[in-house]
Amino acid sequence: DQQVKQNSPSLSVQEGRISILNCDYTNSMFDYFLWYKKYPAEGPTFLISISSIKDKNEDGRFTVFLNKSAKHLSLHIVPSQPGDSAVYFCAASNYGGSQGNLIFGKGTKLSVKP
Amino acid sequence: NAGVMQNPRHLVRRRGQEARLRCSPMKGHSHVYWYRQLPEEGLKFMVYLQKENIIDESGMPKERFSAEFPKEGPSILRIQQVVRGDSAAYFCASSPGLDQPQHFGDGTRLSIL
Repeated sequence: DQQVKQNSPSLSVQEGRISILNCDYTNSMFDYFLWYKKYPAEGPTFLISISSIKDKNEDGRFTVFLNKSAKHLSLHIVPSQPGDSAVYFCAASNYGGSQGNLIFGKGTKLSVKP
Repeated sequence: NAGVMQNPRHLVRRRGQEARLRCSPMKGHSHVYWYRQLPEEGLKFMVYLQKENIIDESGMPKERFSAEFPKEGPSILRIQQVVRGDSAAYFCASSPGLDQPQHFGDGTRLSIL
């Protein structure tokens, strides 16, 4: 049973436009959410996180939105750049329950075209 | 400031042999996590350790797999009597505390002949 779902395996956007990556979760105990970017043959790189007490967190071109009632979060990248082309993973955890493990989605491959 | 270091980057073993994967966390990080990624899948949690203690091993197979994080030296993930299904990328992550973002190494790609 997949607790974190990224329903779009791929996304293609034009350079300069907005990229929106979506993630849904089923476990209401999750209280901390993260986005990672991964290039081939490398490890995931941490991008941005959000606690369940917030509904938005912003860091430069990256903004994460959390809708707890819908159990949905999204990552916005604006403006998108060709170097953003990578696989993006959404991850969730239950830190309040002292759960250190992250539950990952299967990823969305973003292609930003020049 | 060095990141999480994993070695080897690639490891080839024959069925029945042992595989040892090493992970040195970032400086100042005392929490270590191991994950496994199969092709076309997300990362799956295996085990969470702090110095000399296993905190959560709920994602690790009960047989053939073990992990340690000794007082001195790197964390080790050991797979005994490897089988073809163990072929995967194994990633290590570290964090300074439980509620801090985990930072990942570049992984060890294990291939079983």
